[in-house]
Amino acid sequence: KNEVEQSPQNLTAQEGEFITINCSYSVGISALHWLQQHPGGGIVSLFMLSSGKKKHGRLIATINIQEKHSSLHITASHPRDSAVYICAVPPYGGSQGNLIFGKGTKLSVKP
Amino acid sequence: DTEVTQTPKHLVMGMTNKKSLKCEQHMGHRAMYWYKQKAKKPPELMFVYSYEKLSINESVPSRFSPECPNSSLLNLHLHALQPEDSALYLCASSAGRHQETQYFGPGTRLLVL
Repeated sequence: KNEVEQSPQNLTAQEGEFITINCSYSVGISALHWLQQHPGGGIVSLFMLSSGKKKHGRLIATINIQEKHSSLHITASHPRDSAVYICAVPPYGGSQGNLIFGKGTKLSVKP
Repeated sequence: DTEVTQTPKHLVMGMTNKKSLKCEQHMGHRAMYWYKQKAKKPPELMFVYSYEKLSINESVPSRFSPECPNSSLLNLHLHALQPEDSALYLCASSAGRHQETQYFGPGTRLLVL
């Protein structure tokens, strides 16, 4: 079964800084998900990516399928980016619908 | 409409109560999920419905009983819960195809006394 490791577990940044969150997994996959969870619970799906890079506003996600590694970058970070960022992958590789979640990276951006 | 709604937002129940959590989506998605999330932990998959049929049950105790009355609705019936079942219960849906994005609801925060 796939194992997901995220780093760092906690991250504190000053407003405006460039942020990088990393995710590694053990079993080859077809797609990886990045999710955002704000205090209070709701989860928002940020990206689903199979290869290369995706960009949405100040968020950029990259994946290297051969190295089983993905990164989430936030440019010009803002206090409203403070949240838990979670990486998720299919449990047995391939493209199963259900997901295994990393433990999350708690980001706090100070003004 | 890309929204998954969940009711209630908060629920407090005793160990002898019977209650239900509800989840609804109108995106035409054919896969729906229940997750349980304890504080400071990632979500854990409980159940998956695909085309209104239960396709995955991750060894969840029988005091949790899912129901999918139609393709837009997903219920989770609760009976004789334990205090350790207190958690955030998240519903999600996806198109049902492979490699699809999951859309999450805001969750129901459950407290069992």
